[in-house]
Amino acid sequence: GAVVSQHPSRVICKSGTSVKIECRSLDFQATTMFWYRQFPKQSLMLMATSNEGSKATYEQGVEKDKFLINHASLTLSTLTVTSAHPEDSSFYICSARHGFGSPLHFGNGTRLTVT
Amino acid sequence: GIQVEQSPPDLILQEGANSTLRCNFSDSVNNLQWFHQNPWGQLINLFYIPSGTKQNGRLSATTVATERYSLLYISSSQTTDSGVYFCAVEDNFNKFYFGSGTKLNVKP
Repeated sequence: GAVVSQHPSRVICKSGTSVKIECRSLDFQATTMFWYRQFPKQSLMLMATSNEGSKATYEQGVEKDKFLINHASLTLSTLTVTSAHPEDSSFYICSARHGFGSPLHFGNGTRLTVT
Repeated sequence: GIQVEQSPPDLILQEGANSTLRCNFSDSVNNLQWFHQNPWGQLINLFYIPSGTKQNGRLSATTVATERYSLLYISSSQTTDSGVYFCAVEDNFNKFYFGSGTKLNVKP
């Protein structure tokens, strides 16, 4: 149980375009989802926390207008990288949990390359 | 926020050897999890262990919350154990803090 599906796994886009990444909890209701960014050989950096039906809470230094997060249902959150630039190239990972105090479960990540 | 320190940063083992990874944290925590990130980037949940000891096959973990540390034991290591092991702790505000990880390389 506790499967989190993230799509796409890889995406290559041109500079200036927008990319949407989906994160779905397949067999549980995710009241909270987290979005992380990971640079090569580094730890995970929290970008934002989203609770179903409310606005995402962004970490300091993360541009809200560039990284749009929507958590419209208890099983789906999306991250849209708007007007992507090469410096946005990275590995993006989502995680989800059923409720406070429950364990985190991760998607398989999305490797974004902006050319 | 909570500071999380993992040691060692890098570890090279011969297949069949045992190892202990450590995670120290700077404040009381609600939860603690150990993850394994494989070479393809997938994060696998190993243990959800805010306190006590758990075992799962060749892996076991112990968290001593009062002393603010957790240990992950890997016995009879295999090449498939290679990757990065992360410890993550949760504060009282639904926020997780990750350590910098231990990179494990198990050689055949």
